[in-house]
Amino acid sequence: DAGITQSPRHKVTETGTPVTLRCHQTENHRYMYWYRQDPGHGLRLIHYSYGVKDTDKGEVSDGYSVSRSKTEDFLLTLESATSSQTSVYFCAISAAGSSYEQYFGPGTRLTVT
Amino acid sequence: SQQGEEDPQALSIQEGENATMNCSYKTSINNLQWYRQNSGRGLVHLILIRSNEREKHSGRLRVTLDTSKKSSSLLITASRAADTASYFCATEGAQKLVFGQGTRLTINP
Repeated sequence: DAGITQSPRHKVTETGTPVTLRCHQTENHRYMYWYRQDPGHGLRLIHYSYGVKDTDKGEVSDGYSVSRSKTEDFLLTLESATSSQTSVYFCAISAAGSSYEQYFGPGTRLTVT
Repeated sequence: SQQGEEDPQALSIQEGENATMNCSYKTSINNLQWYRQNSGRGLVHLILIRSNEREKHSGRLRVTLDTSKKSSSLLITASRAADTASYFCATEGAQKLVFGQGTRLTINP
């Protein structure tokens, strides 16, 4: 497996609380992505980063923010969690963008009650 | 919006048989990728086929791409129980990958 870890792996939180998910890579890849996976919707892109401090929105970015202060870390923050953000979140990395393969982390299961 | 759509949504076959999954998409692409996801795990890249390629092989996997029909197929030959998983196609657009909803493949012993 590519060197990607996600933390925490599972989290239960209450509506309205802030939540930060962390993705850490040891591959020194330039591109990093956050996806969410929900039944009936497949995998959808939330935000991605193409370098340190360079980020852009994906398909479902509302309610989420990201930060990347180091090559190896990409943080996803839910400023005020809602029940609709209950999902499985996957981080992925790529050496050279979407023209090349992506390597996925193990996922974080987030439940917002 | 989702670009790729896999067909069928679910497929159940006997071990040793071949499995074929299809992916259709709407707009022009630079490449198309196939991924596998075992239950409770992250996606694993299987194969990438570029728009100027028609067929690609990797072990027991064979991927075809027909850009005129905007479709791709993934063939798994001589299936094994370990092939039980969900399979996703992903198309590239504007520096992003767009995934379909996947085909759930079950290999029965």
